[in-house]
Amino acid sequence: AQRVTQPEKLLSVFKGAPVELKCNYSYSGSPELFWYVQYSRQRLQLLLRHISRESIKGFTADLNKGETSFHLKKPFAQEEDSAMYYCALKSRAAGNKLTFGGGTRVLVKP
Amino acid sequence: DVKVTQSSRYLVKRTGEKVFLECVQDMDHENMFWYRQDPGLGLRLIYFSYDVKMKEKGDIPEGYSVSREKKERFSLILESASTNQTSMYLCASSPPRVGEQYFGPGTRLTVT
Repeated sequence: AQRVTQPEKLLSVFKGAPVELKCNYSYSGSPELFWYVQYSRQRLQLLLRHISRESIKGFTADLNKGETSFHLKKPFAQEEDSAMYYCALKSRAAGNKLTFGGGTRVLVKP
Repeated sequence: DVKVTQSSRYLVKRTGEKVFLECVQDMDHENMFWYRQDPGLGLRLIYFSYDVKMKEKGDIPEGYSVSREKKERFSLILESASTNQTSMYLCASSPPRVGEQYFGPGTRLTVT
């Protein structure tokens, strides 16, 4: 069975400090991974996906198949990065199911 | 711009009541999903549908059922609401073979 683990429930950092959100997965196949973000009073939305290899809002995430990880990083956190972040794994089965981790709340202090 | 709407933002129901949560998407997406979102547990899939009248159980289907009579509409039904179904319910849609899902604003359901 596929599983996504986000070990930190809360990350508190100061503005300008680096931030790293950990995500580990278990999946018997070639994974497709995503990071979703939910800002206060907004709907959940896609932040980035590993196949795009893109940087969004200064965030990057590298898929490490050896360590089965997909950690999200930003070198200099901003106050507007305060949000709830979810790592998600896509199944190749019909319907494009996503399995989500438990989420990490990021608080960026001024 | 994809729009997923949910019928209510807040709902309060009594134990034993039948509850309907409606979700509508306007982008002609084949796939639709219902999740519940609980602190520390993340999003858990209740049911999903990849076509009209097709449905599949997710990870936590017990106590829920769904209906998809039209492509744009996916309803979640709580046959007899219980207090442990108090939660935030999120609906999402996606095109086929695409991992990105588009979410609605959520319905916060309280069962008393």
